[in-house]
Amino acid sequence: EAGVVQSPRYKIIEKKQPVAFWCNPISGHNTLYWYRQNLGQGPELLIRYENEEAVDDSQLPKDRFSAERLKGVDSTLKIQPAELGDSAVYLCASSFRQGWYGYTFGSGTRLTVV
Amino acid sequence: GQQVMQIPQYQHVQEGEDFTTYCNSSTTLSNIQWYKQRPGGHPVFLIQLVKSGEVKKQKRLTFQFGEAKKNSSLHITATQTTDVGTYFCAGPPGTASKLTFGTGTRLQVTL
Repeated sequence: EAGVVQSPRYKIIEKKQPVAFWCNPISGHNTLYWYRQNLGQGPELLIRYENEEAVDDSQLPKDRFSAERLKGVDSTLKIQPAELGDSAVYLCASSFRQGWYGYTFGSGTRLTVV
Repeated sequence: GQQVMQIPQYQHVQEGEDFTTYCNSSTTLSNIQWYKQRPGGHPVFLIQLVKSGEVKKQKRLTFQFGEAKKNSSLHITATQTTDVGTYFCAGPPGTASKLTFGTGTRLQVTL
């Protein structure tokens, strides 16, 4: 069984440009998460989906970040426009049940904004 | 908001020595999870503890959940170079479902 798949693996963009990240969770995992991890820190939750509904987006900077999870499977996280401070690793994770059972993380997308 | 702190922030040991990382939450946790992240990798789920005072073992790793469900520890016996990485604890506070990650402990093991 494939794990959580993310693409791209790396992305370098100039500031003010848009960027999008894609995530395919584990089949059967209804809960999907987007985390951001800065260097040397723990992952921080950006948004959590239960099926296709965003149930916790309180940490998502809504002026420039947006996310969607069509049909409750794949998800896309977008930044427009990107700022230098957005450079980080963006991790997607999925779980069988929110908050319980371990999360399975994808390999992440390392974003560098120059 | 909830804060989850880990100590030490970094530890360097020689292979064969023991290692312990401590996790402390500002709020009571419904469960505690531990993850390992290798350098350049992503967090990988190790274990989940649910009951107050629970102790679980995985080979050389021993995990403990505090009686008050606000702290936890991970102990590695006789470290190996394969143990290198950052260990994170994570837990949802109370009845919440959001998993908050700790600050992490980076372990370096040398021969």
